[in-house]
Amino acid sequence: KAGVTQTPRYLIKTRGQQVTLSCSPISGHRSVSWYQQTPGQGLQFLFEYFSETQRNKGNFPGRFSGRQFSNSRSEMNVSTLELGDSALYLCASSLWSGFQETQYFGPGTRLLVL
Amino acid sequence: EDQVTQSPEALRLQEGESSSLNCSYTVSGLRGLFWYRQDPGKGPEFLFTLYSAGEEKEKERLKATLTKKESFLHITAPKPEDSATYLCAVQVTSGTYKYIFGTGTRLKVLA
Repeated sequence: KAGVTQTPRYLIKTRGQQVTLSCSPISGHRSVSWYQQTPGQGLQFLFEYFSETQRNKGNFPGRFSGRQFSNSRSEMNVSTLELGDSALYLCASSLWSGFQETQYFGPGTRLLVL
Repeated sequence: EDQVTQSPEALRLQEGESSSLNCSYTVSGLRGLFWYRQDPGKGPEFLFTLYSAGEEKEKERLKATLTKKESFLHITAPKPEDSATYLCAVQVTSGTYKYIFGTGTRLKVLA
């Protein structure tokens, strides 16, 4: 079974630009979560989508947004990029199996903002 | 405020030298506790989920345990390939199910 895929893997942008990252979950998974990982803050939860609806949201400004399509693929958008947005952005898909939640992560997109 | 703290930040072990990593949490409502392993340049790899105090799970040289305030990841007779960053996360039930990660323990196992 193919794992979670993320594109692109690396991205360089300048301040003020916007960026869109893509995530394809494991086949059959309906929940997709997004995280930001930085050396100083660790892994921080951005938001979760389930069946095209945002189910959970972390404490990030409105510049960070996302959506999920009917095939469960998800995109994350960051507008008006700031230097502090440089990070590894991780996507995780979930299979809800009874009481056990299993999250599988993709390889991430490394974003550098200059 | 919901919080997850991992210790130590970094750990160096000799091959075969067993040890434990700690994950302490202060949350309003625990839905589950997760352990992940992350290698450099890669996404976290799922290891275990624990849901209730007293629960234990094992996988090869790793064993995870859970109490009401903390979780331990025990590594028995580690090998160099166990070198990685180990992340702990909790899923909380305050309003919505949110995930809070610790900053991880960087483990280095020397041959």
